[in-house]
Amino acid sequence: EAGVVQSPRYKIIEKKQPVAFWCNPISGHNTLYWYRQNLGQGPELLIRYENEEAVDDSQLPKDRFSAERLKGVDSTLKIQPAELGDSAVYLCASSFGDSNEQFFGPGTRLTVL
Amino acid sequence: GQSLEQPSEVTAVEGAIVQINCTYQTSGFYGLSWYQQHDGGAPTFLSYNALDGLEETGRFSSFLSRSDSYGYLLLQELQMKDSASYFCAVRDPDAQAAGNKLTFGGGTRVLVKP
Repeated sequence: EAGVVQSPRYKIIEKKQPVAFWCNPISGHNTLYWYRQNLGQGPELLIRYENEEAVDDSQLPKDRFSAERLKGVDSTLKIQPAELGDSAVYLCASSFGDSNEQFFGPGTRLTVL
Repeated sequence: GQSLEQPSEVTAVEGAIVQINCTYQTSGFYGLSWYQQHDGGAPTFLSYNALDGLEETGRFSSFLSRSDSYGYLLLQELQMKDSASYFCAVRDPDAQAAGNKLTFGGGTRVLVKP
């Protein structure tokens, strides 16, 4: 079974530029999460989807971040414009139903110069 | 809000036993999870405790005391491949019934030496 797929794996951009990350969750997983992980810290939830509905986006900086999950499968997280402080690893995870286990992708390492 | 504390780093030799403690302060509580993350890798699920007591899975065990707001992950017969960061995470009681929200601790970096 394929795991959670993310692309790109690495991205380097200048500040004020836009950037987008893509995630394909495990087939059949209805719940999808986007996390941000700063160096030496634990992942922090940005947004959680149940199918195509964003049920928790309280920690998403909505002035510059946006996300979508069309058709309840793939998801895209966008930052526009990027700031220096956005440099981090952006992790996507998925889970099925009320499972306690979340499956994480390898992440996208973003560097903003 | 949620607050979790765990040691930042632990060093041990191969074959040893390591215990990683996690204390939490939350307004409510569903359960405590543990994840392992190798450098540059994805976090992977290790265990989940919803009830008090010890859960054993191979060389790894996880313990929970709800009354003490405390849990630990026990790594036995340490191997070099166990060098990684270990995160405790609280399942958020504000989450809707379907799916779950996790709040992660800062992680404990475990270094296994020969």
